[in-house]
Amino acid sequence: GQNIDQPTEMTATEGAIVQINCTYQTSGFNGLFWYQQHAGEAPTFLSYNVLDGLEEKGRFSSFLSRSKGYSYLLLKELQMKDSASYLCAVRGEKLSFGAGTTVTVRA
Amino acid sequence: GAVVSQHPSRVICKSGTSVKIECRSLDFQATTMFWYRQFPKQSLMLMATSNEGSKATYEQGVEKDKFLINHASLTLSTLTVASAHPEDSSFYICSASSGPGTDTQYFGPGTRLTVL
Repeated sequence: GQNIDQPTEMTATEGAIVQINCTYQTSGFNGLFWYQQHAGEAPTFLSYNVLDGLEEKGRFSSFLSRSKGYSYLLLKELQMKDSASYLCAVRGEKLSFGAGTTVTVRA
Repeated sequence: GAVVSQHPSRVICKSGTSVKIECRSLDFQATTMFWYRQFPKQSLMLMATSNEGSKATYEQGVEKDKFLINHASLTLSTLTVASAHPEDSSFYICSASSGPGTDTQYFGPGTRLTVL
């Protein structure tokens, strides 16, 4: 089975940096995904990590440590439109999602 | 690239009605399609995985006779909710992948089903 943990909520100020942590336990590992989901909409793909290290993509970066079962999503230069739920998903035998972290960006 | 569409985006129906939801990959061939259900303020729950031309694989607890999945071509999968009841009201989301399990899934915009 798979167990994926991430914080429920985070609040940050516009222009700041926020780090969303995700820890997981899985039987078999074939990659970790981060998705962004605005309320009432489907998730959109942000990043994919399968090897240890940092993947940078514009204002968003994702880090993976397979030995620690740990990943984080780093959001820089926060904008109001970044207010959303961020889902950590781990592919073991299947793709399983964490409950999501609701990020609120305040002016 | 990697656009997935869903139709309809919203449906309201009476209890006992069957509802069909279509999922299409518009610019790539989807070897595998996935159907998820999401209740308010909860995470995505995988219902079933379908591969083109073969029977869908359902997750534990999902009734295959109630949630009928057809993946007849590399660009189209359909989910039919048979004899829908109010407890089936949910947000149904499909995703598509161009390869087997390790490939990135691209999500459709979702279908909001409300059963009265």
